[in-house]
Amino acid sequence: KAGVTQTPRYLIKTRGQQVTLSCSPISGHRSVSWYQQTPGQGLQFLFEYFSETQRNKGNFPGRFSGRQFSNSRSEMNVSTLELGDSALYLCASSLGSGTGVFEAFFGQGTRLTVV
Amino acid sequence: GQQLNQSPQSMFIQEGEDVSMNCTSSSIFNTWLWYKQDPGEGPVLLIALYKAGELTSNGRLTAQFGITRKDSFLNISASIPSDVGIYFCAGHGAGNNRKLIWGLGTSLAVNP
Repeated sequence: KAGVTQTPRYLIKTRGQQVTLSCSPISGHRSVSWYQQTPGQGLQFLFEYFSETQRNKGNFPGRFSGRQFSNSRSEMNVSTLELGDSALYLCASSLGSGTGVFEAFFGQGTRLTVV
Repeated sequence: GQQLNQSPQSMFIQEGEDVSMNCTSSSIFNTWLWYKQDPGEGPVLLIALYKAGELTSNGRLTAQFGITRKDSFLNISASIPSDVGIYFCAGHGAGNNRKLIWGLGTSLAVNP
């Protein structure tokens, strides 16, 4: 069974640009969550999608957005990049609502560097 | 946002020693999860706990769901160099629509 796949693994962008990251969850998983991780910081929750609907949202500015497609694949977008957006962005998939199972499985992450 | 209190923040031990770390919360959780993250990689699920008082092992790792449902601990016995990494706890409260709440991690270094 394939794991969570995130693309690309590494990305370098210039301040002011925008970026789109992609996440393919484990087959059968309907919930996808996104996290930002910077050195020395824990996992900062961005948002969670379930069945194409945003179910939870963290405390990030509106420059951070996401969406989920009917096949459960998810993308997150960051517009007008700032230097402070440099981080490891992690995607996690889980079975989702109603299953009583909350184990989340992570991809390898996308390392974004803003210069 | 809400976070779990995870301690210690970091540990430096000798190979072969046992390790213990814990997480506490001010609110009740129905699920506790423990993860390990290697540098530059995503966290990997080690143990999932779903019942108060539950004690679960995964090889040299043992985790317990506290009776009060507000805490959990993870023990690693006979540590080896590959145990190096950051260990995170995560909890899930009542209700299907709540998100996972995370600790800030325990960084473990093992001296061979």
